[in-house]
Amino acid sequence: SAVISQKPSRDICQRGTSLTIQCQVDSQVTMMFWYRQQPGQSLTLIATANQGSEATYESGFVIDKFPISRPNLTFSTLTVSNMSPEDSSIYLCSGYRFKGVETQYFGPGTRLLVL
Amino acid sequence: GIQVEQSPPDLILQEGANSTLRCNFSDSVNNLQWFHQNPWGQLINLFYIPSGTKQNGRLSATTVATERYSLLYISSSQTTDSGVYFCAVEAQGGSEKLVFGKGTKLTVNP
Repeated sequence: SAVISQKPSRDICQRGTSLTIQCQVDSQVTMMFWYRQQPGQSLTLIATANQGSEATYESGFVIDKFPISRPNLTFSTLTVSNMSPEDSSIYLCSGYRFKGVETQYFGPGTRLLVL
Repeated sequence: GIQVEQSPPDLILQEGANSTLRCNFSDSVNNLQWFHQNPWGQLINLFYIPSGTKQNGRLSATTVATERYSLLYISSSQTTDSGVYFCAVEAQGGSEKLVFGKGTKLTVNP
């Protein structure tokens, strides 16, 4: 199975600041995604990270708030901008289609607390 | 979009008991996966099972695609099985995005 790492693993941030989360996959993947998991809730897809082009955002998520980059097939970043306490969540990246296997693997997540 | 419903929402077991978790989905799917989220938040992929039956140790899963449901069986449960179990599906004709159910929170007591 592939390994996905995220940095930072957790952070405590002040309202109004921004945080960039990094996601690294150990093998090339076709698709990369970013999810949010609010406390006690299920996972909600934020966007699909597209290599070399703008991410595709789900309803309710916008680029100005969650800018995403994916410069190559194994790396992506998610920035949470102008944070408020409502942004306190776990943010997870995932990779899809490792070597033709239709399985999506997830990183360990970044736990964000906004004060 | 596709809807995913999981039941029961909460389940408490004694160690050694067996359990069945259910996932209903509202449309045809290309992909269905079961995940376990441990108490530390890590999502572990249990099964990729858009149809048929698979087994892995004490866990097994069955998806009946024509009737739009999947079952996850846990036998001889252990305290380490505690956590939240999620079912996630990718709709046919979709864009390879997984839609998650709300999960079943399992607590296994010693």
